[in-house]
Formats: sequence, structure tokens, C-alpha cells
Amino acid sequence: AQSVAQPEDQVNVAEGNPLTVKCTYSVSGNPYLFWYVQYPNRGLQFLLKYITGDNLVKGSYGFEAEFNKSQTSFHLKKPSALVSDSALYFCAVRDPFGSGGYQKVTFGTGTKLQVIP
Amino acid sequence: NAGVTQTPKFRVLKTGQSMTLLCAQDMNHEYMYWYRQDPGMGLRLIHYSVGEGTTAKGEVPDGYNVSRLKKQNFLLGLESAAPSQTSVYFCASTDPGGDTQYFGPGTRLTVL
Repeated sequence: AQSVAQPEDQVNVAEGNPLTVKCTYSVSGNPYLFWYVQYPNRGLQFLLKYITGDNLVKGSYGFEAEFNKSQTSFHLKKPSALVSDSALYFCAVRDPFGSGGYQKVTFGTGTKLQVIP
Repeated sequence: NAGVTQTPKFRVLKTGQSMTLLCAQDMNHEYMYWYRQDPGMGLRLIHYSVGEGTTAKGEVPDGYNVSRLKKQNFLLGLESAAPSQTSVYFCASTDPGGDTQYFGPGTRLTVL
């Protein structure tokens, strides 16, 4: 069974400092990995994904994520945090071998990012 | 292009009442999903549909029913609401083979 772990419920970082939000996964075969962001009272928005290729993936709003196969990790990063980055971040993994036309997506429990002015 | 919309945005029900949540998408997506979001538990899949006229159970389907009579609409029904169904409900859609899910703004449901 596939799974995603986000070990930190909350991450606090000062504005202008680099940020990292951690994610580890477990899945059979090659993983499809995603990061989504949720602002207050909104639905989730896609940030970036890793399917294959370069281990460093760039996404929206200056975010990037590094895929590390040996550590089964897909940490989200940004070189310089903004107050407007404060939100809830979800990591997700998709099963590339779904049946019945459906490829199951499993979401992590989310990490609240607080950027302090 | 409105994307994915959900109605209503908020609802309060009494135990035993019924209601239907509506999800609509204008992106001509084949796949649609209903999730519930609870604190500390992330998103859990309730039901999904891979095309018009089809539905299937997700991780937590008990107490819910769905219908996909039109490609653009996906309805989630609660026949007899229970306090355990207090949650925020999100609808999402993707194209077949698409990687990205597009989410609606959510419906906050409270069952007293």
C-alpha cells in the first residue's frame, strides 16, 4: 500500500530565510509525486510534480522540490520565504499502476507553514 | 472558465437530515472525485468517477452516495447525516492520464 508522511505539523521560518517542508513516501514502482498548497478557506492548488527526469523540480511561486530515490523523499523548498507563503502544504503520491482506469492518489496530513515577518 | 465550483459553501444539518452537495466543472474532465478533509488526517477519498454514468467507492464511502448523470456534474449525497460527517468536503477533477487534480473551494458541513 502506498503512503505519504509529512513529519512536521508546523514549520516556522523568518521572512527572507530559506524554507523546507519535508515529505517521505512509500509506493511500489516509480512514484508520481506532487505538492499542493491550501490557503485559508480555499481548495488545494497544484504547485509542482515529479514524474521522471531531473530530480530537482521547479514549480509555481518560486517553489522547488528535490526527489531523492534512495531516501524516498520529496522535500519542498524555497530559497527566500515570503509572508504570503504562509499556508497549508500537502504532499501526495500517485500509484502509477492503477486498475479500472483509476490511479490512486494518497495525500499526506499536511504541514502548516508560518512565515514570520 | 470557472474551473471547479461547489455548492453550497456552508451548511448546518441536524442528525438524520439529508442533503446533496453539487460539484460542477467546465474543463471537460473525465475524472471527478469527492474528498473529505479532517484535522490531522489530510484528504480522504470518499467516491470517484472515471466518466459519465460511472461511480466507484474510495477509502471512506460509508454513509455517502454519488451520481454522475452528466459529465460536468458530480453529486454527493448524505441520506441520513451523522455528527461524524462534520467535515470540509472538496471536489476535484482531472483528465484521463492527467497528473494534476483541480480542486473546488470546498463545502463546510456541520452536523449537530
